[in-house]
Amino acid sequence: NAGVTQTPKFQVLKTGQSMTLQCAQDMNHEYMSWYRQDPGMGLRLIHYSVGAGITDQGEVPNGYNVSRSTTEDFPLRLLSAAPSQTSVYFCASSPTGYSNQPQHFGDGTRLSIL
Amino acid sequence: KNQVEQSPQSLIILEGKNCTLQCNYTVSPFSNLRWYKQDTGRGPVSLTIMTFSENTKSNGRYTATLDADTKQSSLHITASQLSDSASYICVVTGGYNKLIFGAGTRLAVHP
Repeated sequence: NAGVTQTPKFQVLKTGQSMTLQCAQDMNHEYMSWYRQDPGMGLRLIHYSVGAGITDQGEVPNGYNVSRSTTEDFPLRLLSAAPSQTSVYFCASSPTGYSNQPQHFGDGTRLSIL
Repeated sequence: KNQVEQSPQSLIILEGKNCTLQCNYTVSPFSNLRWYKQDTGRGPVSLTIMTFSENTKSNGRYTATLDADTKQSSLHITASQLSDSASYICVVTGGYNKLIFGAGTRLAVHP
């Protein structure tokens, strides 16, 4: 199993551009989520999904959209990139949303907004 | 406010030595506490999870302790190896399954 796969690994954007960060998992997990990791701070939840067709906002959702059309894929869209969105983005999945199950993280997308 | 504070921010030790990382939290209600290891350029990987009724949990050379009364946890690494060089993240689950992440401790093990 590949686990959680994120693409691209690195990306540089100009302010105002849009792009989609891809996330796919092959473990048939129902719960998927997106986090951003900034220096000196803990991971912060952007959006999450408890199953195909169901998404909800996390702690820092502004400027991001998500959709979940299949169990496997959970893309994150930046609508109009801003320098404040420079960060490392992690996608994670777990069998369900219950916290007693560990989340499996991808290796991240390092995004720079100029 | 729900917070997770980790100390120290960074730590350098020599290979073969032991070390202890600290995690203090103010999360309420409390569901569980998990330690993750994050290698440079990789995503976090779960090491241990403890509920409020568990005092200690081991995973190889990693031993986590939890004092739910004082709201403190520690991660002890025994006989450190170069491969232990990583960031260690403490995560507390509060109400509604909300995860609160600490900022992590960056550990460097030198030969």
